[in-house]
Amino acid sequence: QVQLVQSGAEVKKPGSSVKVSCKASGGSFGGYSVTWVRQAPGQGLEWMGRIIPILGVATYAQKFQGRVTITSDKSASTVYMDVSSLRSDDTAVYFCARGGYCSGATCMRRWFDPWGQGTLVTVSS
Amino acid sequence: EIVMTQSPATLSVSPGERATLSCRASQSVGTNLAWYQQKSGQAPRLLIYGASTRATGIPARFSGSGSGTEFTLTISSLQSEDFAVYYCQQYNNWPKTFGHGTKVEIK
Repeated sequence: QVQLVQSGAEVKKPGSSVKVSCKASGGSFGGYSVTWVRQAPGQGLEWMGRIIPILGVATYAQKFQGRVTITSDKSASTVYMDVSSLRSDDTAVYFCARGGYCSGATCMRRWFDPWGQGTLVTVSS
Repeated sequence: EIVMTQSPATLSVSPGERATLSCRASQSVGTNLAWYQQKSGQAPRLLIYGASTRATGIPARFSGSGSGTEFTLTISSLQSEDFAVYYCQQYNNWPKTFGHGTKVEIK
């Protein structure tokens, strides 16, 4: 049973960047997509983007286009999410989760499961 | 973008009582609807997918129903560990959107 293990909490200055990792423990991502979701303090869940690790092809929510980069390292069974030009309202817990099975660039519609434990990113001067 | 609207925002229920949570989609998502439970400081946990299929290990007191634009999550007899926030999510269209959540609290 694959588990997703994320990197630890980060504290960053406004204008800097942060890179959060998500590793498949006990297996690999196989042909599944991996998605990133964030949750600001006391708020709901917001989908940010996803990647098909075997292809390295990423798709982003319009809101995050140009400021978020999702990459993968197949050999390390790890996905990364880089957020640049950080602002105070980027303070949130960032989660990775497994999505649908993909055949090439086409992925099945699927729920998110399992989830990583979350990574708190605090942006403060 | 499909907007998911959950109601009520907060539901106060006594242990042992039934809880009914609603989720409405701004356009049809078929049965591509999931429910998650989130406790404070934890990641969301998948409860229901396909609108009505319980995920592995989820107790039978949790049930989901609906299709198209109207969905319901029912907890038949609330246990102490069920007090949490519940989110619905559509995965029919991109971007995959979540509702704002229903907090189930102890009455």
